[in-house]
Amino acid sequence: QVQLQESGPGLVKPSQTLSLTCTVSGGSISSGSYYWSWIRQPAGKGLEWIGRIYTSGSTNYNPSLKSRVTISVDTSKNQFSLKLSSVTAADTAVYYCARDGSPNLGYAFDIWGQGTMVTVSS
Amino acid sequence: DIQMTQSPSSVSASVGDRVTITCRASQGISSWLAWYQQKPGKAPKLLIYAASSLQSGVPSRFSGSGSGTDFTLTISSLQPEDFATYYCQQANSFLFTFGPGTKVDIK
Repeated sequence: QVQLQESGPGLVKPSQTLSLTCTVSGGSISSGSYYWSWIRQPAGKGLEWIGRIYTSGSTNYNPSLKSRVTISVDTSKNQFSLKLSSVTAADTAVYYCARDGSPNLGYAFDIWGQGTMVTVSS
Repeated sequence: DIQMTQSPSSVSASVGDRVTITCRASQGISSWLAWYQQKPGKAPKLLIYAASSLQSGVPSRFSGSGSGTDFTLTISSLQPEDFATYYCQQANSFLFTFGPGTKVDIK
């Protein structure tokens, strides 16, 4: 079955750009009518949706982060990526990639990566 | 933005208890609501989608109901593995938002 795995640096300096990649295995990122999302969760807090991408390249972003976020897709590598610029300590969180289920699943996030902790600190 | 609230924020219950968690949207979202279970150090797991549809592989003791602005997640008979935090999430608009979570712990 489809699995997701996040990868990227665990430590980013303030004002720099956070870069993460999500690798899709067990299926093609291009198959089906799925969007691919990034979601984050600060320690002990709730979940915040960052944005999503379709394999056509179409994106939607959370307006609160839109000015700093870029999500891209590389179908040849079966991967999608997150870049978050000008990070501060407030961006410290566990970052998850997730599959945004099809309309048949009510656009719920049916598959998640295990999450990767990113700390913003000098 | 559509804001999501949940109540209670935490509940203490015993194995075998019936537990009900409520989620409210700040505006109508039809049935575009999902419920997730999250255990410490783990990713959330989808339980319910489209307000009342049980995700494949999820035990039938979990059920969801509601439409519009008010929704509930019910665990009919709490099991030891159900102690976790539960989140609702609206999918009515592409600006997906989650509720703050309800922690279910052992009484």
